[in-house]
Amino acid sequence: DQQVKQNSPSLSVQEGRISILNCDYTNSMFDYFLWYKKYPAEGPTFLISISSIKDKNEDGRFTVFLNKSAKHLSLHIVPSQPGDSAVYFCAARDTGANSKLTFGKGITLSVRP
Amino acid sequence: DTEVTQTPKHLVMGMTNKKSLKCEQHMGHRAMYWYKQKAKKPPELMFVYSYEKLSINESVPSRFSPECPNSSLLNLHLHALQPEDSALYLCASSHQHRTGGLNTEAFFGQGTRLTVV
Repeated sequence: DQQVKQNSPSLSVQEGRISILNCDYTNSMFDYFLWYKKYPAEGPTFLISISSIKDKNEDGRFTVFLNKSAKHLSLHIVPSQPGDSAVYFCAARDTGANSKLTFGKGITLSVRP
Repeated sequence: DTEVTQTPKHLVMGMTNKKSLKCEQHMGHRAMYWYKQKAKKPPELMFVYSYEKLSINESVPSRFSPECPNSSLLNLHLHALQPEDSALYLCASSHQHRTGGLNTEAFFGQGTRLTVV
């Protein structure tokens, strides 16, 4: 049972345009959501997060939107840069005390120069 | 220091070998994790240590044995592995989550690329 879903396996965007990466979840006990970026042969790097009490969090070129009623979040990157090309994982944490993160399958973003 | 350091970066071992993966952080995090990641798959949680005590074991086979000697170190002891155990093993750490309290992200190391032959 996949609790965090990233249904699009890949996305290709022109440099300078907006990249929108989507993520859906099914577990209503999730209270904190994170996006990680991963380059090949490296560990995931934390990018941005959002608490379930907010609907938007912005950090430079990266903005995460959360729609709790739809159990949907999205990561917007604007403007997209070739260095943003990587695999992006959406992750969610439940409200229990064990801090367990559940990851989606990831989306491969390619930003074309 | 916001790094999680994992050693070795690469490891090739036979099915009868015993080896250990090491992980170190000096961020004062009291939760530490082992994840396993196969190619084109998301990281899968294996173990969680909270305040140096094992709090989650995701039904991991006993050929994987975690150890947390102190609040900065996390080891994963490997014995009699199978070729299908070949994967990227990721260590992560975070501040301990408390309901209604601190919300912080987990920091990941670069991983150990393990090949079992």
